[in-house]
Amino acid sequence: AQKITQTQPGMFVQEKEAVTLDCTYDTSDPSYGLFWYKQPSSGEMIFLIYQGSYDQQNATEGRYSLNFQKARKSANLVISASQLGDSAMYFCAMRGSGAGSYQLTFGKGTKLSVIP
Amino acid sequence: DTAVSQTPKYLVTQMGNDKSIKCEQNLGHDTMYWYKQDSKKFLKIMFSYNNKELIINETVPNRFSPKSPDKAHLNLHINSLELGDSAVYFCASSQVGPEQFFGPGTRLTVL
Repeated sequence: AQKITQTQPGMFVQEKEAVTLDCTYDTSDPSYGLFWYKQPSSGEMIFLIYQGSYDQQNATEGRYSLNFQKARKSANLVISASQLGDSAMYFCAMRGSGAGSYQLTFGKGTKLSVIP
Repeated sequence: DTAVSQTPKYLVTQMGNDKSIKCEQNLGHDTMYWYKQDSKKFLKIMFSYNNKELIINETVPNRFSPKSPDKAHLNLHINSLELGDSAVYFCASSQVGPEQFFGPGTRLTVL
């Protein structure tokens, strides 16, 4: 079974500062994928970034980077230069590797508030 | 063009009623999903379909019946609605690649 743990129910960050959202995972799959999604107050799920378990380098997408530490089973999201529009719920998720098993297992989320 | 669409966006109904939520994807993906997001924002997989065949059924009450008439559609029918069914339901689709595309969600309120 897969498990995702996000230990920060809420976080505050000053505008233009960087922030790290924590995510740890547990799985017995040898191959897996890790995701971060953003859910603003409007409710849609926005894909941010993906890291494959065999990827050698940490994933980056614009202001988002994923700090992947495989031995520690952590996949923290780093948002640089926070903007007011970054205020939202952030979900870490994992996908397994078996045939057809592409469903995502989500953490409980972190609510990020950006302060002007 | 919307990649994954759901209708309706909002659904308010009485306990005991039967309702359906429709989902369509125009991405050519083989796999579609239904997720439920509860009042505490926790998202959990309900069903997974691959090429119109049920792959995953995560201990969902049999009042919930997904139907996939073709690869592009995965509808969710709910019988005898209960108060606890109130939630946001997300449809999603994916291929083998990294991204899973979500629909805009359907907020179901059972009175």
